[in-house]
Amino acid sequence: KAGVTQTPRYLIKTRGQQVTLSCSPISGHRSVSWYQQTPGQGLQFLFEYFSETQRNKGNFPGRFSGRQFSNSRSEMNVSTLELGDSALYLCASSRDLQETQYFGPGTRLLVL
Amino acid sequence: QKEVEQNSGPLSVPEGAIASLNCTYSDRGSQSFFWYRQYSGKSPELIMFIYSNGDKEDGRFTAQLNKASQYVSLLIRDSQPSDSATYLCAVIRGGSARQLTFGSGTQLTVLP
Repeated sequence: KAGVTQTPRYLIKTRGQQVTLSCSPISGHRSVSWYQQTPGQGLQFLFEYFSETQRNKGNFPGRFSGRQFSNSRSEMNVSTLELGDSALYLCASSRDLQETQYFGPGTRLLVL
Repeated sequence: QKEVEQNSGPLSVPEGAIASLNCTYSDRGSQSFFWYRQYSGKSPELIMFIYSNGDKEDGRFTAQLNKASQYVSLLIRDSQPSDSATYLCAVIRGGSARQLTFGSGTQLTVLP
């Protein structure tokens, strides 16, 4: 069974731009969670989607948003990028809410 | 107090020794506990999960959970240089915000 896939794998943007990241979960998994990982802050929860609805949200500003489609694929968007948004963005899928999560390879975003 | 605390290390052990990684959590209602391994530049990879008090063994890995002490640990027997990585403890908290919360990770180095 194919694992979680994320695109793109690497991205370079400039301040003020916006970015959209994509995540395809493991087949049969209905829940998708997003995390931001930086050396200073570690792994921080952004949001979780299940059945196209956001079920949980972390403490991030409104510039960070996401959505989930009917096929469980998910996208996250960051608007008005700041230098501090440079990070590894990880997507994880699980069969159901609060079940074991499996991570994708991540998208490494660099904001210049 | 952090919700999930780990000793950041680095922890160094000689090859063949037992590596002991510890994690404490603050929410007494937490119900599910996970250990992930993350190699440098890679995404977290699930090693084990544990739900009940006691020990759970899988190959060279043993997870130990003590809910009364709010403590979970991971033992790695016969440590190998390939075990050198950052180990992340994660907890699904109880209550309405049942999101997966990660510790900051313990960096383990196994010396040949």
